[in-house]
Amino acid sequence: GQQLNQSPQSMFIQEGEDVSMNCTSSSIFNTWLWYKQDPGEGPVLLIALYKAGELTSNGRLTAQFGITRKDSFLNISASIPSDVGIYFCAGQLFKAAGNKLTFGGGTRVLVKP
Amino acid sequence: NAGVTQTPKFQVLKTGQSMTLQCAQDMNHEYMSWYRQDPGMGLRLIHYSVGAGITDQGEVPNGYNVSRSTTEDFPLRLLSAAPSQTSVYFCASSYSRGRGHTSTNEKLFFGSGTQLSVL
Repeated sequence: GQQLNQSPQSMFIQEGEDVSMNCTSSSIFNTWLWYKQDPGEGPVLLIALYKAGELTSNGRLTAQFGITRKDSFLNISASIPSDVGIYFCAGQLFKAAGNKLTFGGGTRVLVKP
Repeated sequence: NAGVTQTPKFQVLKTGQSMTLQCAQDMNHEYMSWYRQDPGMGLRLIHYSVGAGITDQGEVPNGYNVSRSTTEDFPLRLLSAAPSQTSVYFCASSYSRGRGHTSTNEKLFFGSGTQLSVL
């Protein structure tokens, strides 16, 4: 099946920093999504992208749908402590089998000690 | 609205035992699904349903059964628990734009998860 590779697997943030993470696939997707999971909770949708090249913001978060349709990027500007969590990318390819999402392995964001 | 409610929050089973993880949503969503989350592997789809009376297999369906007798409920049954089924399980639902298997359902609402350990 399709694989999504997220990088980095983990990162440390310092308050006020800008951070970036990305997601790549060997095949194309019609939709890219970014979810965030807080400890002990289920993932929550942050941003949905529907067109190649699309750039969408949600507060301090900005995500882009790659031109090749095989990648996506998420940027967090001016990090704050509550940005800690696991960020998942997900891709969706329209086809008959329920249009299911494929999730990446996640980027774990931690606070620098 | 409560959203997506999963029970129990934690469960310990012995190998060979069976149990049902409950999932209910009060948003009138047509699409419901079950995922398992394992370290470094993201979320993998177990089973999904595009409406009452319709279910289908996802990526990792072996050892699990589902049914969808109502729009609100989508229970996941472990038939004979195995240590490989130790995981965190999430139920998710969404609106469907369109109908049936051609619908889009990308904006998932997740429950808070069930942490299952099989000894």
